[in-house]
Amino acid sequence: GENVEQHPSTLSVQEGDSAVIKCTYSDSASNYFPWYKQELGKRPQLIIDIRSNVGEKKDQRIAVTLNKTAKHFSLHITETQPEDSAVYFCASPTGGGNKLTFGTGTQLKVEL
Amino acid sequence: DTGVSQNPRHKITKRGQNVTFRCDPISEHNRLYWYRQTLGQGPEFLTYFQNEAQLEKSRLLSDRFSAERPKGSFSTLEIQRTEQGDSAMYLCASTLGASGNYEQYFGPGTRLTVT
Repeated sequence: GENVEQHPSTLSVQEGDSAVIKCTYSDSASNYFPWYKQELGKRPQLIIDIRSNVGEKKDQRIAVTLNKTAKHFSLHITETQPEDSAVYFCASPTGGGNKLTFGTGTQLKVEL
Repeated sequence: DTGVSQNPRHKITKRGQNVTFRCDPISEHNRLYWYRQTLGQGPEFLTYFQNEAQLEKSRLLSDRFSAERPKGSFSTLEIQRTEQGDSAMYLCASTLGASGNYEQYFGPGTRLTVT
């Protein structure tokens, strides 16, 4: 089955700095890569995703890049704000039903 | 609210009791997933439905777990003879299920505590 590895497990940045979270996947047939943000006690929220036919996608302060050859994709957050503090999960779908296999999560803390 | 909803939000039960959770997906979504999330981990897939058909079950889903989606709309997840190891957040997600449509939207979850 699919294996998704995520690094780092914790990330602390100063407000206004950039944050980068990286994931690698094992299934070369994977073609969709979402990122979820989960605040404490709340649901995972889809914040951005990318399909395998593009290398980069940007939405305001967040962007995702994909390297299919190396089988890794990254989340980039620029101009970080305290409200960006949360756990971020990458994921990759597998199987006919596109069930998601999640990474282990990155606890992002944006300090004032 | 047109998002995915789940009830109850919290459930505390004693070991050995049965519990049932409900998920109402986004109305036009025909694919529904159940995941389980424990503290500090990402969600883990349990099972999914395409309309009313249950098409895949994870090995995590022991025979004490059963899920249904009788009319292809809401779904229920039942756990019989609960064990302390069943304590977790149970998340439901839905997606349109059409070809090329992958976005899964999650409900708020049901937090189960087995004492």
